[in-house]
Amino acid sequence: QSALTQPPSASGSPGQSVTISCTGTSIDVGGYNYVSWYQQHPGKAPKLMIYEVSKRPSGVPDRFSGSKSGNTASLTVSGLQAEDEADYYCSSYAGSNNRGVFGTGTTVTVV
Amino acid sequence: EVQLVQSGAEVKKPGEPQKISCKASGYNFPNYWIGWVRQMPGKGLEWMGIVNPDDSDTRYSPSFQGQVTISADKSSSTAYLQWTSLKASDTAMYFCARLAYCSSTSCLPPDYWGQGALVTVSS
Repeated sequence: QSALTQPPSASGSPGQSVTISCTGTSIDVGGYNYVSWYQQHPGKAPKLMIYEVSKRPSGVPDRFSGSKSGNTASLTVSGLQAEDEADYYCSSYAGSNNRGVFGTGTTVTVV
Repeated sequence: EVQLVQSGAEVKKPGEPQKISCKASGYNFPNYWIGWVRQMPGKGLEWMGIVNPDDSDTRYSPSFQGQVTISADKSSSTAYLQWTSLKASDTAMYFCARLAYCSSTSCLPPDYWGQGALVTVSS
């Protein structure tokens, strides 16, 4: 089972929006509405930002939103702030590998 | 409040054994699978394997099968990751994570994570 494909990097200015893609196949992203997104700052644990494609856990700002079309899920961060600068990973239920799958990760830079 | 608290950072020599822990609280430990994730320096997240604390059913990623042992102890609400003989290439941050649901073929993405344990292997 290959990792989900994410762009290595993305950037935006404060106040702008950035969208990160997460491309899989019909047996993971495309087959289930179980895609999550995580934010990870250096040396820290991943933090759940989005689950079940578009749901936000309590405490996550509504600047973070998720969506899915076909085999590609997306995370959009609106109104970029300096503290949004981090690595972002997607993860999906995957119908055949007994544990799920992670994305390759995207580094978001606020320029 | 759900918490996963991992054991501290370790510096070990090649060939030494190692066991790191992940103590759960705030929920019924046997009801949720626990997974272990490796993150090598500057790299992404990799699944190592998962364990069902209720019956100790364990599933390993092919890359880690035979290289590590994953276990869980219901009585102490603790999951473990262990090596019999560390290599320099095992130097990484290791995270435990709670999985809300696993079927026979896959698991939902993690909902809670431990803070991570840095294992450094150097002679």
